[in-house]
Parts: sequence; structure tokens; C-alpha cells
Amino acid sequence: DSGVTQTPKHLITATGQRVTLRCSPRSGDLSVYWYQQSLDQGLQFLIQYYNGEERAKGNILERFSAQQFPDLHSELNLSSLELGDSALYFCASSVDLLRTDTTGELFFGEGSRLTVL
Amino acid sequence: AQKVTQAQTEISVVEKEDVTLDCVYETRDTTYYLFWYKQPPSGELVFLIRRNSFDEQNEISGRYSWNFQKSTSSFNFTITASQVVDSAVYFCALSEAIYNQGGKLIFGQGTELSVKP
Repeated sequence: DSGVTQTPKHLITATGQRVTLRCSPRSGDLSVYWYQQSLDQGLQFLIQYYNGEERAKGNILERFSAQQFPDLHSELNLSSLELGDSALYFCASSVDLLRTDTTGELFFGEGSRLTVL
Repeated sequence: AQKVTQAQTEISVVEKEDVTLDCVYETRDTTYYLFWYKQPPSGELVFLIRRNSFDEQNEISGRYSWNFQKSTSSFNFTITASQVVDSAVYFCALSEAIYNQGGKLIFGQGTELSVKP
């Protein structure tokens, strides 16, 4: 158990709909990352938040947005869903990576599997 | 641009064989971090190791060992005396300098290892 909690685990929805994926990081971790894993694109970095602020952005579509709340949980909003958005969405968290007493690893949740029909 | 290449898409071995998973990376950074993660059939991503660009010492952890060579931009992973439980997809990943942007990971496409009894 990584300590990162993602809900829901599975989600089936229709094209054009909007969904929200939720992530609770490990206790004390300030950074939250979102990744998308699909068969054709592999593991793609979407976005990172650090203590409520957007820190880095990757291949995130304009139809997608995310935020990190004061309690450090994060939500990834996916709108106007298309068939190609079907994927496994991972959230990961880490401590402040400037600390030298960490392994530097990202702790991944079990993922939210989104199926768009 | 940063890139990670895992040229081996699938590898199949028989139990007790040694197997090496290749990873080649590209980056313009002088400070960077390399990772290996394991994704078993259950789907979660499990951290195996992190290496920084200034530490080229090889590392051994039980049956796992890693060979980091900056001269060839490679960070290969060897499993000695493989076991059926090693069957998984293995990802190599690269992170840019952490001091300014946190630990955004760029993943390779993964190598699916199948260990047969």
C-alpha cells in the first residue's frame, strides 16, 4: 500500500460527458502528479501540483484540468470525453524532493480506470 | 528534449534465467535522476530504484542489479535467477533536475517481462 488513495477505481461513461477523479496523497506529501496510461501513448505525465500551486505541465489536453486543494488532495477533471480518453489515470505523490533524506521516489496510487463508450 | 527508450517491448524467459532490461535515455541536463518502476499485473506502479547523474556506482539489491553508464546514456536492469513473480512490465524513467521543477518523470514505453516456470 503506497498510501496514495484514488477514487473511483473504475468509471464507465459516455462520450461528451465530464468526470472528476480524486486523489489523496500520502500524509505529509506536498507534491501531487497526474499521469495517464494508455496502450498507444504509454505513461504520460499530465500535470504536477506542489502545495496548491501548479508546478509543471505535460501533455495535458485543454479539456482536462486539475487542482490541488488546501488539504492537499487533488482532483483531475476530464470534460467533453472522447473514446481516446479511455485510460488508466494515476496519481502520485512525493515529499519535497529537495530533501536529501528521501529516496526521491514518487508513490503511485492504484489508478482510476476510465472507460468512455 | 528528454526521452527514455526501452527497445525491448517483450521478453520471455524461463525461471532461473538471468535477464537484462535495457534503458537508454536522452537529456541535456547535467543533473538528472533515473528510476526503475515495476508494474505487476495488478496494475500498481512499484518503485525499485533511483539513481542521480553523479553516482555511476552499480547497485545490487538481492537478485536485482543496475548498471548505470553515462558514457552510453544507459541504465540497464538485470534480474538474476528470475522467478515467476518477476513477471511484470518494467518502466525506466528520467527526471530533470529537481531543484526547480520537482520530480516530473518521463517514462519509457516499458518492457513486459514474462517468466515461465
